[in-house]
Amino acid sequence: DVKVTQSSRYLVKRTGEKVFLECVQDMDHENMFWYRQDPGLGLRLIYFSYDVKMKEKGDIPEGYSVSREKKERFSLILESASTNQTSMYLCASSEQVPSGANVLTFGAGSRLTVL
Amino acid sequence: GENVEQHPSTLSVQEGDSAVIKCTYSDSASNYFPWYKQELGKRPQLIIDIRSNVGEKKDQRIAVTLNKTAKHFSLHITETQPEDSAVYFCAASGGGTSYGKLTFGQGTILTVHP
Repeated sequence: DVKVTQSSRYLVKRTGEKVFLECVQDMDHENMFWYRQDPGLGLRLIYFSYDVKMKEKGDIPEGYSVSREKKERFSLILESASTNQTSMYLCASSEQVPSGANVLTFGAGSRLTVL
Repeated sequence: GENVEQHPSTLSVQEGDSAVIKCTYSDSASNYFPWYKQELGKRPQLIIDIRSNVGEKKDQRIAVTLNKTAKHFSLHITETQPEDSAVYFCAASGGGTSYGKLTFGQGTILTVHP
């Protein structure tokens, strides 16, 4: 029944390492999103994609990049991890609805700790 | 871009009481306002949403109201139960080319005491 799958639930990395977070959805959704969740700050959008190979910056893209080579897969990349990127990362997907009233289906989250 | 403010950050009620969470948004073009509930250790899930052409929407014990003029919307939970304890997030999104990009509030931790 799992519809949005994030490859890693828990990761521990060292400062400066390159980190890949993978997300796969099986609902044939056009839109995919990466959010970061921190206590007191809510969910902040890092990047989103509305089609294969298309990407748009969200509100906090600095220090991150993304890749969408296939419709079902959206990857978040930390080129050089830093301690302030320690957080919970949530992937989500949605259909493309013209009105913008899109319902997000979230993954279980990936908790990243950078030492 | 859009900015969503949510209050209060924490809310503690007794079972059976009502709970109200309020949000304000900045972009008058926003036209879709969902609410997500995140139980401890679980993923956020949509519980109710409202579009800009509607002032109020109800679903059993939960309701959402929208005031477009004042740019604020609220979640109302009546007859609260312990299983309502969770983090609640409001969000706003515009139409057009926004691709359903949601801007979330900071979240409210609701605790319902038996």
